[in-house]
Amino acid sequence: GENVEQHPSTLSVQEGDSAVIKCTYSDSASNYFPWYKQELGKGPQLIIDIRSNVGEKKDQRIAVTLNKTAKHFSLHITETQPEDSAVYFCAASSNFGNEKLTFGTGTRLTIIP
Amino acid sequence: ETGVTQTPRHLVMGMTNKKSLKCEQHLGHNAMYWYKQSAKKPLELMFVYNFKEQTENNSVPSRFSPECPNSSHLFLHLHTLQPEDSALYLCASSPGGPSGGSNEQYFGPGTRLTVT
Repeated sequence: GENVEQHPSTLSVQEGDSAVIKCTYSDSASNYFPWYKQELGKGPQLIIDIRSNVGEKKDQRIAVTLNKTAKHFSLHITETQPEDSAVYFCAASSNFGNEKLTFGTGTRLTIIP
Repeated sequence: ETGVTQTPRHLVMGMTNKKSLKCEQHLGHNAMYWYKQSAKKPLELMFVYNFKEQTENNSVPSRFSPECPNSSHLFLHLHTLQPEDSALYLCASSPGGPSGGSNEQYFGPGTRLTVT
């Protein structure tokens, strides 16, 4: 089955700087890669996703890149703000129509004011 | 109500109790999920329902019993739990459909369960 590894497990960034979180996956058939943000006391919130037919997707300050050859994808947050502090999870899905997502272990991002 | 709601938000139960967790989605989705989230572990998928039919049981102990009466509601019935079952239980939904459809999953806020 699919295996997703996520790094780093914790990340501290000065406010205004950029943050990058990386994930690798094992199943070359994976074609859907979402990112979730989980704040304290809340459920994970889908913030951006990418499908295998594109290499990059951007939404305001967040962007995701995908390298299918290397089987890794990354989340980039620019101009970080205190409200970006949260735990971020990557995930991968191996079949379109297969409802299963395999999650990474999460990255706790702290933005230092 | 919008999105995915879960009740109760917090639950403390003894090992001999029987309780149920409830999830409701207001997104018109067809697939619903139960996940277990423990500290320092990846999200663990427990059950998947697509059009009310269970399509995944991820080797979950029988002390957890899911029920999906319709595409908008999902329950998790709990009995004779163990202390190691203490965790955040998350419900999610996705568009789903007969051929699967979109994988985008939307989560509820979770139920924080403590087994004493």
